[in-house]
Amino acid sequence: DQQVKQNSPSLSVQEGRISILNCDYTNSMFDYFLWYKKYPAEGPTFLISISSIKDKNEDGRFTVFLNKSAKHLSLHIVPSQPGDSAVYFCAASRSGGSNYKLTFGKGTLLTVNP
Amino acid sequence: GAGVSQSPRYKVAKRGQDVALRCDPISGHVSLFWYQQALGQGPEFLTYFQNEAQLDKSGLPSDRFFAERPEGSVSTLKIQRTQQEDSAVYLCASSRIPLLADHNEQFFGPGTRLTVL
Repeated sequence: DQQVKQNSPSLSVQEGRISILNCDYTNSMFDYFLWYKKYPAEGPTFLISISSIKDKNEDGRFTVFLNKSAKHLSLHIVPSQPGDSAVYFCAASRSGGSNYKLTFGKGTLLTVNP
Repeated sequence: GAGVSQSPRYKVAKRGQDVALRCDPISGHVSLFWYQQALGQGPEFLTYFQNEAQLDKSGLPSDRFFAERPEGSVSTLKIQRTQQEDSAVYLCASSRIPLLADHNEQFFGPGTRLTVL
C-alpha cells in the first residue's frame, strides 16, 4: 500500500511557464514533507520542505503548498527552466523516534521545453 | 569531493553470488541510511545507522541483506545469495545530525546499480 502517491508519471511544460507537481499521502501521521530532485545517474538532491504547521513554503522559484485536510501537497516552479528537467520525488516523514525514515513517492519526470 | 560517494557504480552478479556495496558518507556526518530503488519506483528505506550503531534495520527485505558501519564512517551493504528481485539501485545517504528535526535533509550518493542475472 503506497502511502505517498505521485499520480502523474510525467509532465511537460514550456520554458517560462509554471510547473505544478502533485503529491498525495494517506498516512495522517506524516507531518513533514520534502521534495527531492534527481538527474540521471545522480542521487536525489534536496529541494524544499514543509512542516505540517505551515501551508506554504517558498524558496526562490520553488514553492510548496500543503493542504492537510486533503492530504495533498504540490510543488510550483515559476518560471520553469530547461535545467529543471529531472525526476521529482515527494517524500514524507513523521515526528517521533523514526522521524529519519523517509517514505517516497514514485516520482514525476518533468520536462521543460525551450 | 565533499559529497557522498558509492562504489562500485555498477555491479553485475550472477544469481547466487554475494555482493558488497560501499558507501563513503560526508565527513563528520553522524547518520547514514541505505535505500533500495527498484525500476520505476521511489527509494525505499532499508536501514539506519547513528555512528556505528545500527538503530533500525526494519526495511531490510530478508536475512540475506546485511549492513555494517564498524567505525562509524564507511558503511557496507552486503547481499548474500543474490536473487533477480534484488536488482535495483542502492542509494546511500548521510546526515549531519542524529535525529532529523526541522531540517530533515539527507544527502544522497549517486547509487550503485545492481543487476542480478
